[in-house]
Amino acid sequence: NAGVMQNPRHLVRRRGQEARLRCSPMKGHSHVYWYRQLPEEGLKFMVYLQKENIIDESGMPKERFSAEFPKEGPSILRIQQVVRGDSAAYFCASSPNGLAGGGEQYFGPGTRLTVT
Amino acid sequence: RKEVEQDPGPFNVPEGATVAFNCTYSNSASQSFFWYRQDCRKEPKLLMSVYSSGNEDGRFTAQLNRASQYISLLIRDSKLSDSATYLCVVNRAGTYKYIFGTGTRLKVLA
Repeated sequence: NAGVMQNPRHLVRRRGQEARLRCSPMKGHSHVYWYRQLPEEGLKFMVYLQKENIIDESGMPKERFSAEFPKEGPSILRIQQVVRGDSAAYFCASSPNGLAGGGEQYFGPGTRLTVT
Repeated sequence: RKEVEQDPGPFNVPEGATVAFNCTYSNSASQSFFWYRQDCRKEPKLLMSVYSSGNEDGRFTAQLNRASQYISLLIRDSKLSDSATYLCVVNRAGTYKYIFGTGTRLKVLA
């Protein structure tokens, strides 16, 4: 049973380019969460999605960042016009149930984005 | 004040030692609590959930103190492989957000 998959594992972009990060949840999981981790800092919640719905995007920067989880295919975190400050590790997590009930979530290996 | 606070460490302990970490949380309405482990440059991995009655899994014991708003993790008979950063995670009641502490770094020495 494959775990949470993320790709690419490493992504290098120049300032101003777009970054697309993909996440496939564990089989049977329909809830996806994106987190950002800056060096030497904790994970920061960005967005929570269910299939075709954004449930909570209160952790997303207001501009340049968007996320989707289509009916078919992986969840995508998209960062437009990247800047150096976007360099971080981006982790995706999935859970079988929504977390409002206190369920457990499982993490993918992350995508390390470097903006040059 | 941060919503979830941890001593960053590092805690350097010899193999076989017992070590304990605490984590305090500020929102008294928090409902769910977890310990995750994160190795350098890897993803967080669930270590254990923390229940009101406390729980134990092998060498690991987790406790919740609601009155003082902290959770603890005790590791007995430390192994070299226990060296990692331990993340305290709290679910903000009624929301989908998990709040992560910045972690406590443990180094078990031979």
